[in-house]
Amino acid sequence: EPEVTQTPSHQVTQMGQEVILRCVPISNHLYFYWYRQILGQKVEFLVSFYNNEISEKSEIFDDQFSVERPDGSNFTLKIRSTKLEDSAMYFCASSDSSTGGRNTQYFGPGTRLTVL
Amino acid sequence: SQELEQSPQSLIVQEGKNLTINCTSSKTLYGLYWYKQKYGEGLIFLMMLQKGGEEKSHEKITAKLDEKKQQSSLHITASQPSHAGIYLCGADMTSGGYNKLIFGAGTRLAVHP
Repeated sequence: EPEVTQTPSHQVTQMGQEVILRCVPISNHLYFYWYRQILGQKVEFLVSFYNNEISEKSEIFDDQFSVERPDGSNFTLKIRSTKLEDSAMYFCASSDSSTGGRNTQYFGPGTRLTVL
Repeated sequence: SQELEQSPQSLIVQEGKNLTINCTSSKTLYGLYWYKQKYGEGLIFLMMLQKGGEEKSHEKITAKLDEKKQQSSLHITASQPSHAGIYLCGADMTSGGYNKLIFGAGTRLAVHP
């Protein structure tokens, strides 16, 4: 069964360093998302992406964040200068464009980012 | 604000018992999604509800969306230890398009043998 994959599973970085989180969405999906979950808190939307551009972004998704689809399969989230408060589990999700269907988003296993 | 309230926050049941988890919104839900999350892992899609009064079942799990499309319930019949985990409801509160999901805080379920 097709699934969303994410790498790495765990990333430890020093404050101020750049990190890139990688995702491979389900192959025929066209809509891509990043969410994050700080330990013990709700899953929060960061950004959605369609047709090579951002569709919507939250207040969390400031200038330190960027997303890219560098090729036909990968979808990346970059944090330019990490802060302690960026420590969280980051989830990638994708959904398809089936006509009449709603927006069922399939999630990857997550990347746990720890900023020291 | 766009928020979903889930109740209860946590639930401990004996194996074999039935249970219900609720998810309530102050706004109309254009899509309501139930996910299961094991601690520290990803979200596994369970079911999606879209129409008022809709009900879906998969194995021993049934989800319903009320007629006003503001409340959903997830019911597990004859619970098993494999049902343990965190159940999250996620909502699409915007008509049209492929929009962000707003999530509830989750219900942590433990099933004791």
